[in-house]
This record gives sequence, C-alpha cells and structure tokens, in this order.
Amino acid sequence: GAVVSQHPSRVICKSGTSVKIECRSLDFQATTMFWYRQFPKQSLMLMATSNEGSKATYEQGVEKDKFLINHASLTLSTLTVTSAHPEDSSFYICSARTQTGVGELFFGEGSRLTVL
Amino acid sequence: ELKVEQNPLFLSMQEGKNYTIYCNYSTTSDRLYWYRQDPGKSLESLFVLLSNGAVKQEGRLMASLDTKARLSTLHITAAVHDLSATYFCAVTPNSGYALNFGKGTSLLVTP
Repeated sequence: GAVVSQHPSRVICKSGTSVKIECRSLDFQATTMFWYRQFPKQSLMLMATSNEGSKATYEQGVEKDKFLINHASLTLSTLTVTSAHPEDSSFYICSARTQTGVGELFFGEGSRLTVL
Repeated sequence: ELKVEQNPLFLSMQEGKNYTIYCNYSTTSDRLYWYRQDPGKSLESLFVLLSNGAVKQEGRLMASLDTKARLSTLHITAAVHDLSATYFCAVTPNSGYALNFGKGTSLLVTP
C-alpha cells in the first residue's frame, strides 16, 4: 500500500529552539496533507491542512506563526515548530490521501517531540 | 461541526470472547475509517467503509456501516492478546476534508 514517511521519528530540543518535521509521500503524489497532534492517552486533533503550492489552512486555536507549514512539492510537507516550549511536547502525525481509488488516507509513522 | 463518539472508551476482555465497539457520528458522511494504534506508534488502517450496509472483515475483526443511523460497529470475534491496542474510528464529511476522530477505544485482551 501507499507509504507516508515522517522524519525525524523522535526529537528532543531545548526550549526556545525550532524544530522541523518532514512528511513525505513515497509512492504517490499528495496535493493535500494533514497534520495532527496527539497528546498521551488522547485522540488525534487536526492542526492544519497543508495544500501544495498554497497556504495551509489552520484549525481554530492553532497558531499559524508558531506552527509553520510548507507544502512545496506534491510529495513533501514540512511542519516547523518555532520557539518550542515544553507544552508543545507531543506526538505529531501527518497523513496524505491518495488521488486514486477510494482516496484512502495513510499516516506517517509520527514524530515524538520533547521540549526540555 | 462533525462529532464522532466512540464507546466504550476502555474495554478489558478475555481471550476467546466477542465484543463490539460502537462509533456514532453527528452529520452526513460519505466514508468512515477504522484505525488501530499500538503504544508509541502511528495509525494502522483497518477498514474504509464507503456505503450504507457496507461490511468488511479481516481476520477476527469485522466492521459495518449504517449511514442512516450514522453508526459503525467494529466487532471482535474470539479475541486474542495480539488485538490489544487502541482503536479509532474517523469520519470525514466528504473526500476532500480531513478526518474527525473519535476518542478511541483502548482494548486489553487478557488470558
């Protein structure tokens, strides 16, 4: 099946630094990718919809200046957590939808961010 | 706003038993997904249900969809320990939008 790859899988950073997470669709083109955040023992919350070649659409309550999303190509979207703080520590998961078939959504492996 | 409710949220069951997880959603949707998540891992796709009356089965898991009742079920048959995980249902109002997730059902299968 379709593969979505995220990198890095784990990252630890100091408070105040910025962290970039990459999401790649390896064997299909994705005009739209989605970024989710998941806190421990909770469900996935949609942060933003990433559209290739245009600005991302952010969900209510998500700071677009803090969570920068760039979707520069049909196979790559990046999420940059700027000036990270401990409360940004979370599991970040991207997903991408195939353009063929039933348009199934595939998820990346997730990136666990720990801000010290 | 599309709301998705799962129940139960926690389920402990013995090996060999059967049980059903329920997923209700609040507005019209053209597709419903079931995912499995193991601790510390991302989501594994289990089923995509596209139409009223759709039923899909894979191993000990069977999912069904009733769009009129806005209800999907995930039935577990003769549970085994390997099925222990968190199961999420997710719904999208149409194919162009992101998924709205239920809170998840944490399943523990014990000997």
